[in-house]
Amino acid sequence: ETGVTQSPTHLIKTRGQQVTLRCSSQSGHNTVSWYQQALGQGPQFIFQYYREEENGRGNFPPRFSGLQFPNYSSELNVNALELDDSALYLCASSGDPGYEQYFGPGTRLTVT
Amino acid sequence: GNSVTQMEGPVTLSEEAFLTINCTYTATGYPSLFWYVQYPGEGLQLLLKATKADDKGSNKGFEATYRKETTSFHLEKGSVQVSDSAVYFCALSDRGGSEKLVFGKGTKLTVNP
Repeated sequence: ETGVTQSPTHLIKTRGQQVTLRCSSQSGHNTVSWYQQALGQGPQFIFQYYREEENGRGNFPPRFSGLQFPNYSSELNVNALELDDSALYLCASSGDPGYEQYFGPGTRLTVT
Repeated sequence: GNSVTQMEGPVTLSEEAFLTINCTYTATGYPSLFWYVQYPGEGLQLLLKATKADDKGSNKGFEATYRKETTSFHLEKGSVQVSDSAVYFCALSDRGGSEKLVFGKGTKLTVNP
């Protein structure tokens, strides 16, 4: 059984650019949550997708958007990148909302 | 809104020392409580959890008890090892449908041989 995987591992972008991060959920999981972890901080909830629909959103601006595909993999898109978007982006999948969340290794985004 | 406060680190201990990392929470209703661990360069791993008051979660020698009266969920281990060196996060699940996790800022633990 494959765990949660994320790509790419590391990414460097310039302020103002757009970025897409990808997440493959664990087999059998239909729910994906995205978190942003700034350096030295705890992860903060961005949003969750359940069966291809957004199922909750944290305090992030609309330039953070997402998508979930029929195979339950997911993308996080960030437009108009800002320096403060530099962080580790974590994806977590679960069998349903409320079930245990399994985290991927994260994508380290650096915005210069 | 819901929040988690955990003791600030870093915490440095010698091998076989006793570990306590304090965690308190503010929440409406009755959240589930969690401790996650993050090893260098890795994502988060669930260490233990408790879903209702007075529940004790335990794993790998770590324990934490859900105390509703003090809104606390302190992490303890009787004898730490060098391999326990990591960052520990206390978290609660926000019972708002998504069951999103709300995390504390993390406590870095270093165990010296």
